[in-house]
Amino acid sequence: DAKTTQPPSMDCAEGRAANLPCNHSTISGNEYVYWYRQIHSQGPQYIIHGLKNNETNEMASLIITEDRKSSTLILPHATLRDTAVYYCIVRVADNYGQNFVFGPGTRLSVLP
Amino acid sequence: GAVVSQHPSRVICKSGTSVKIECRSLDFQATTMFWYRQFPKQSLMLMATSNEGSKATYEQGVEKDKFLINHASLTLSTLTVTSAHPEDSSFYICSARHRNSYGYTFGSGTRLTVV
Repeated sequence: DAKTTQPPSMDCAEGRAANLPCNHSTISGNEYVYWYRQIHSQGPQYIIHGLKNNETNEMASLIITEDRKSSTLILPHATLRDTAVYYCIVRVADNYGQNFVFGPGTRLSVLP
Repeated sequence: GAVVSQHPSRVICKSGTSVKIECRSLDFQATTMFWYRQFPKQSLMLMATSNEGSKATYEQGVEKDKFLINHASLTLSTLTVTSAHPEDSSFYICSARHRNSYGYTFGSGTRLTVV
């Protein structure tokens, strides 16, 4: 079973920041938070991951609370192409045999 | 960056026939590959895990004789859907773990339609 909970859907205006929340209250100390997204009829695309510090890359920022029980993915300037299902996943980074357990994710709709 | 090529992207086959889906890591070696299935409006569900040179490990409820997985090299894994039926119509996605890092890359998926 997925260890995360996310809202099923969100809307965001084009050009505005999209803030996608994720709860992972049972996260273990050695589990990372990963974010992937899936655009319709494509494979999941890696966005970002982190352990406890906030992370930023060219796609997004990841804010993890101090107690690590929740996190927020931020797309700073959402575009129509960011419309997708966003998955928040927790897993141990160096567990070779562990797959990614996908929950239902959040369906983000970026509106013009 | 790491690229996983999945082929074909779409396939339509007749009921009772077999279909092979290929998953290739183009610029890295993949010791472990995962095969997922995704039905419409649902999330990805793991079918099996394959390690190079060994038998695949199947998730509960997935028939190993129906979904044949071969991971003969560090860059190629194949999933063969044998004796396909309309209920096997789905989106099949592979994922490859990089040999020398903790990174994972997903393929672009294969939409299988059995008629």
